[in-house]
Amino acid sequence: NAGVTQTPKFQVLKTGQSMTLQCAQDMNHEYMSWYRQDPGMGLRLIHYSVGAGITDQGEVPNGYNVSRSTTEDFPLRLLSAAPSQTSVYFCASSASSRVGQPQHFGDGTRLSIL
Amino acid sequence: GENVEQHPSTLSVQEGDSAVIKCTYSDSASNYFPWYKQELGKRPQLIIDIRSNVGEKKDQRIAVTLNKTAKHFSLHITETQPEDSAVYFCAASKNFGNEKLTFGTGTRLTIIP
Repeated sequence: NAGVTQTPKFQVLKTGQSMTLQCAQDMNHEYMSWYRQDPGMGLRLIHYSVGAGITDQGEVPNGYNVSRSTTEDFPLRLLSAAPSQTSVYFCASSASSRVGQPQHFGDGTRLSIL
Repeated sequence: GENVEQHPSTLSVQEGDSAVIKCTYSDSASNYFPWYKQELGKRPQLIIDIRSNVGEKKDQRIAVTLNKTAKHFSLHITETQPEDSAVYFCAASKNFGNEKLTFGTGTRLTIIP
């Protein structure tokens, strides 16, 4: 049982490049979400999903796309990387979105945009 | 949307003393309030949560209180230990769950031996 697995752990991109941050969970969790963490800003919700085939926008969705074709995977796509997207990205999952249960976070992806 | 303010941003306490971190929220419909702890370079982890139908919840040295009228909630850590040093985040959401959690900006707690 690996929990929530994020890849890669570190990535450096050039402005304008695109890439996909991978997130997978093996707990059969219904709810998955992506956050970005910037110094002094806490965790800000980018996109979330309440189940396979269902996604919705969070607080800061611009410049990012997501899809949820399976229960296990929830990739985050940067369409055209910008320096403002330099951040640490966390994926999280929980059994349900409607009952207070622990969100299990991945180890994070540290992304730098030059 | 929801806005969560957290204070203080940094807090230093002597080992064995108590620490209190406060958060206020703007949306009166919010009804779920978790607290997460993040050690340096690690992932955030849930330490305690409370729902709006409860005024206080305790788990060993950690307690959370909620004042719905004033729209604020607080984390209390008693008998602090060096391993309590971390960044603590409060959060709020509706629907009693994790959907669309809004986080505070964090409090860096340092326990002085």
